[in-house]
Amino acid sequence: GENVEQHPSTLSVQEGDSAVIKCTYSDSASNYFPWYKQELGKGPQLIIDIRSNVGEKKDQRIAVTLNKTAKHFSLHITETQPEDSAVYFCAADRDTGFQKLVFGTGTRLLVSP
Amino acid sequence: DAGVTQSPTHLIKTRGQQVTLRCSPKSGHDTVSWYQQALGQGPQFIFQYYEEEERQRGNFPDRFSGHQFPNYSSELNVNALLLGDSALYLCASSSNGGVTGEQFFGPGTRLTVL
Repeated sequence: GENVEQHPSTLSVQEGDSAVIKCTYSDSASNYFPWYKQELGKGPQLIIDIRSNVGEKKDQRIAVTLNKTAKHFSLHITETQPEDSAVYFCAADRDTGFQKLVFGTGTRLLVSP
Repeated sequence: DAGVTQSPTHLIKTRGQQVTLRCSPKSGHDTVSWYQQALGQGPQFIFQYYEEEERQRGNFPDRFSGHQFPNYSSELNVNALLLGDSALYLCASSSNGGVTGEQFFGPGTRLTVL
């Protein structure tokens, strides 16, 4: 089955810096890669996703890149703000209509003012 | 528009007991998935319900069962609770039978087994 690895487990940056979180996956049939942000006491919130027919997707300060050959995908946050502090999860899915998201272990991002 | 709602928020049970958790999907959604999130870990897929049937299942024992009602709401039942069942249980909903791939999560139910 699918296995998703995520690095780093913790990331501390100064406000205004960029943050990069990386994930690798094992199942070459996976073609849907969402990123979720989870704040304390809340459920995961979808922040951006990418499908395998696209190499990069951007939404304001957030971007995701995908390298299908290497089975890598990354989340890039620019101009970080203290409210970006949270746990971020990557996930992978075959997107066949029978959703079964496989999540990474999470990255705790701390943005210091 | 209310998003995904779950009840109760917190629950404390003892080993061997049974528990039922409830989920109401986002308005317009017809597919419900359940995930277990242990402390410090990513969510793990338990099973998914569509048209009142379990459509697929993750690596969880038969002690975990569920149900979907005609109004698309869902229940997760866990029998013979173990200490290791302590976790945050998340419900996620999606539309169009889940073919869009996008899932919306509720706030979760925190289950503690003593």
